[in-house]
Amino acid sequence: DVKVTQSSRYLVKRTGEKVFLECVQDMDHENMFWYRQDPGLGLRLIYFSYDVKMKEKGDIPEGYSVSREKKERFSLILESASTNQTSMYLCASSPPTLGTGRRELFFGEGSRLTVL
Amino acid sequence: AQKVTQAQTEISVVEKEDVTLDCVYETRDTTYYLFWYKQPPSGELVFLIRRNSFDEQNEISGRYSWNFQKSTSSFNFTITASQVVDSAVYFCALSERNTGGFKTIFGAGTRLFVKA
Repeated sequence: DVKVTQSSRYLVKRTGEKVFLECVQDMDHENMFWYRQDPGLGLRLIYFSYDVKMKEKGDIPEGYSVSREKKERFSLILESASTNQTSMYLCASSPPTLGTGRRELFFGEGSRLTVL
Repeated sequence: AQKVTQAQTEISVVEKEDVTLDCVYETRDTTYYLFWYKQPPSGELVFLIRRNSFDEQNEISGRYSWNFQKSTSSFNFTITASQVVDSAVYFCALSERNTGGFKTIFGAGTRLFVKA
């Protein structure tokens, strides 16, 4: 089974702090994604990556950055946390698409971040 | 631009009723994929089904069935003889090619309550 592990289930941070959310997958997936989930808004894509050191902006990248130094690890960084970044953050990975047509996402359990 | 609309925010049914969850999408791509995911109360999103844009054949899996109609840009999900365990939030998603990889966006979700 694919395992996507997010380092923290619950975090409480203060405004202005730098926050790191870590995500690791164990299936050698090329594609990784960070979403935030808010009531009534569904999942919104923050950043995604299709290879090591490659990153693409999603629909709401402002206030976030990412790092992908190794294939299995995709980190989301909040340089200076703000209260409007209080949310549930979901990491996902997906298998290679070339020749397979597979694009389904495998999700971690989520990290609930509260910024005070 | 991509867009996924799930107009039903919440649906409440009594056990054994049939229920249909609606999904309408927008895309400029001719090659794309559609998905349904389930998020039970435990929180972790689970992949249910994938459909590519060239395959309009409807699919049935046990009590679940999916109706894909390109003419109306819809990908609806029907649960037959609903059960309490079907209570969850259901998300429709659309995936398109993007740079070196692909981008998947989600609708706002439909919360389904199945009462005993």
